[in-house]
Amino acid sequence: GENVEQHPSTLSVQEGDSAVIKCTYSDSASNYFPWYKQELGKRPQLIIDIRSNVGEKKDQRIAVTLNKTAKHFSLHITETQPEDSAVYFCAASKRNSGYSTLTFGKGTMLLVSP
Amino acid sequence: DVKVTQSSRYLVKRTGEKVFLECVQDMDHENMFWYRQDPGLGLRLIYFSYDVKMKEKGDIPEGYSVSREKKERFSLILESASTNQTSMYLCASKPGQSWGETQYFGPGTRLLVL
Repeated sequence: GENVEQHPSTLSVQEGDSAVIKCTYSDSASNYFPWYKQELGKRPQLIIDIRSNVGEKKDQRIAVTLNKTAKHFSLHITETQPEDSAVYFCAASKRNSGYSTLTFGKGTMLLVSP
Repeated sequence: DVKVTQSSRYLVKRTGEKVFLECVQDMDHENMFWYRQDPGLGLRLIYFSYDVKMKEKGDIPEGYSVSREKKERFSLILESASTNQTSMYLCASKPGQSWGETQYFGPGTRLLVL
């Protein structure tokens, strides 16, 4: 089955710095890669996703890049703010007999200090 | 706005009890999922359902079963609760069987088995 590795497990930055979280996946058939943000005590929510036919996607201060050859994808957050503090999960998905499931990484706890 | 609700936010049960966790979504989604979330392990898929009365095992189904008698409701059952099933349980749903659709999560049920 699919295996998703996520690094680092914790990341501390100063407000205004950039943060990068990296994930690798094992199954070359995976073709959809979402990122979820989970604030303390809240449910995970999708913040950005990318499909395998695209190399990069940007939405304001967040961007995701995908390298299919190397089987890795990354989340980039620029100009970090204290409200960016949360746990971030990457995931990989592939279609399987008409349905798709997500395999998640173990998460990265991002702490943005004012 | 998609709404996924779970029957309890916190639950305390005794070892050996049969436990029911309920999840309801109000957006007519075909697919529903149960995950458990443990520190340092991320979200792991227990079971999922892509249609009424249909179920598929995820990555960690041992000790669990599920029921989906109606489209909007997906139940997770712990046949005989054990202490190693103490965890946060998250339900999710998504619209259909198409690739890449967003999963929407419920608020979670924190289960403590004594």
